[in-house]
Amino acid sequence: GQSLEQPSEVTAVEGAIVQINCTYQTSGFYGLSWYQQHDGGAPTFLSYNALDGLEETGRFSSFLSRSDSYGYLLLQELQMKDSASYFCAVTRGNKLVFGAGTILRVKS
Amino acid sequence: GAVVSQHPSWVICKSGTSVKIECRSLDFQATTMFWYRQFPKQSLMLMATSNEGSKATYEQGVEKDKFLINHASLTLSTLTVTSAHPEDSSFYICSAENRGGIAKNIQYFGAGTRLSVL
Repeated sequence: GQSLEQPSEVTAVEGAIVQINCTYQTSGFYGLSWYQQHDGGAPTFLSYNALDGLEETGRFSSFLSRSDSYGYLLLQELQMKDSASYFCAVTRGNKLVFGAGTILRVKS
Repeated sequence: GAVVSQHPSWVICKSGTSVKIECRSLDFQATTMFWYRQFPKQSLMLMATSNEGSKATYEQGVEKDKFLINHASLTLSTLTVTSAHPEDSSFYICSAENRGGIAKNIQYFGAGTRLSVL
């Protein structure tokens, strides 16, 4: 089987840094992706890690440890527009298996 | 680049009718597209993998006769919800993988279709 766990909700203030963790159990792991989804909108690709380590893209960074089956998404200099749902997803073959999502609420 | 268009964005239909949803890759060819279903405040659940020129592969528990998928060209996949019932009301989202792109294993999503069956 396969499963991903991430926190259901996180709240932070504008300008802060927030980390959203994701642990997974799966076979045939290729990589870990992160997607952002605003209410009623399409999921938008943020980051992908196939190898251990940190990937940085602007204010967003993602980390993967394959030995620990663990990854995280780091959001810096939080803005109000970052309020959304964030999903980690495992790539198995050509398929994505999504976690339940983390609702991030950014407060002023 | 890597834009996926999905149409319609919103559809309301009567119970028993069929609804067709289109998913197009606008600036790349997609031999494989994916169809997901998402309930409010929940995750995306993969329904099926749409393969150009061949039959779709359905996930366990998804009725293939209920959700007909056709992938007739490298840029278009369609999902038809046949004989829709209120329990089929949901947010349906398609995605495509740009295998010709630099970044592999990334799926690009359409804007989704909100289906309401009365």
